[in-house]
Amino acid sequence: GAVVSQHPSWVICKSGTSVKIECRSLDFQATTMFWYRQFPKQSLMLMATSNEGSKATYEQGVEKDKFLINHASLTLSTLTVTSAHPEDSSFYICSARDPGRAYTEAFFGQGTRLTVV
Amino acid sequence: SQQGEEDPQALSIQEGENATMNCSYKTSINNLQWYRQNSGRGLVHLILIRSNEREKHSGRLRVTLDTSKKSSSLLITASRAADTASYFCATDNDYKLSFGAGTTVTVRA
Repeated sequence: GAVVSQHPSWVICKSGTSVKIECRSLDFQATTMFWYRQFPKQSLMLMATSNEGSKATYEQGVEKDKFLINHASLTLSTLTVTSAHPEDSSFYICSARDPGRAYTEAFFGQGTRLTVV
Repeated sequence: SQQGEEDPQALSIQEGENATMNCSYKTSINNLQWYRQNSGRGLVHLILIRSNEREKHSGRLRVTLDTSKKSSSLLITASRAADTASYFCATDNDYKLSFGAGTTVTVRA
């Protein structure tokens, strides 16, 4: 099956710094990628839809200036957590769907565990 | 936004037993999907059932869908220790997936 690679798998940063997480689709061109956040023992909450070549669409309640999304190519989307604070500590997961196979499964990255100290 | 509710929240079974978990959702869907998540990892797609299908099988997995009740169930037969994971249903509407709360399954050897 298709592979989505997410990097880094974990990161520890100091409060006030910014962290960038990359999500790559390795064997198909993803015009749309999705970013989720997951708290311990909870479900995935969709944060935003990343659209290649245009602005991301953020879900209600998600601060677009805090979580910057860039989808500059058909295989790469990045999520930057700006001025991170301890409450931003979480598990972030990206996913992509093959546009040539609409309404089929999503492929997920391995996730990034962010700890802000 | 989170669409579905799943029950039970947690399930502990003996190896070889069957595990059943249920998912309810609120809005119309194109399809419903089930995913597995091992601790601290990404999600792996298990099975997709379309809104016009009622039952689907894949190996030891059986999924049912009742659109009139807006509910789905996932049955894992002859469970194995490797099936220990969290299982999530996800409804597909307008190309976005909305996930249920998940069921944590522990299979005891």
